[in-house]
Amino acid sequence: GAVVSQHPSRVICKSGTSVKIECRSLDFQATTMFWYRQFPKQSLMLMATSNEGSKATYEQGVEKDKFLINHASLTLSTLTVTSAHPEDSSFYICSAVGQASYNEQFFGPGTRLTVL
Amino acid sequence: QKEVEQNSGPLSVPEGAIASLNCTYSDRGSQSFFWYRQYSGKSPELIMSIYSNGDKEDGRFTAQLNKASQYVSLLIRDSQPSDSATYLCAVEMWSNTGKLIFGQGTTLQVKP
Repeated sequence: GAVVSQHPSRVICKSGTSVKIECRSLDFQATTMFWYRQFPKQSLMLMATSNEGSKATYEQGVEKDKFLINHASLTLSTLTVTSAHPEDSSFYICSAVGQASYNEQFFGPGTRLTVL
Repeated sequence: QKEVEQNSGPLSVPEGAIASLNCTYSDRGSQSFFWYRQYSGKSPELIMSIYSNGDKEDGRFTAQLNKASQYVSLLIRDSQPSDSATYLCAVEMWSNTGKLIFGQGTTLQVKP
C-alpha cells in the first residue's frame, strides 16, 4: 500500500518551454500532497503544499506563477514549471499523505528535469 | 541555527555492526518525527515514524526520541551493505500542518 507514482521520470526540455509533472496516489486517497525540489548533494526543499480543490500554499521564495500546482482530485496533483530555465534543472519529488496514514508522507519516485 | 541538524558524514561502519544516526531539532513544540532512507538518484523511502519519548523498534531499526533534549536518533543493527544510503531526519515543525523540515542527511557506508 501507499504507492505514489510520478510521470515523467525524466524530462529534458529547451529553455523557455513549460513542463508538466504528474503525481498520483495509486492505492489511497491523498488529503494533501507536497512538492519538493532537491539539488545535488542537498536535502529536500519544500516548494508547496497542495490540497484537493483548493489553491496550493507556496513556501517563501517559491514563485507561484512559475510553479503552477493543480490538485484536481484526491489522487492527482500536477506541477507545471512554466518558462523553464537552466536554473530550474533539479530533481522534483512529490509526496502524499493519506486519510488513514496520520501524517506520514509517502514519496513518488521523482522527476529529473534538465533544462537546456 | 538550522531547524533540523544532522551530521553529514560519511559514517562508515563494518558489516554486522550497529550504525547510530543522530538528529537535533530547534522547535521544542514539534510532535512528529520521521526517518527516511534515500539511495543515490532515488526518492526518499519512509523507514520509521516516532511520536512519543522513548524507543520504537521495527526489525533491525530502532528510533529513539528525547523531546526534552530535542534529539532523535536511528539505530540500525546488523548493518548490511544494502543499508548504505543517505538517511534523512524529518520533523513536523508546525503541528497538524503535515509540513516536514528535513535535515541535510547523513551518508552511511557499510563496508563488507
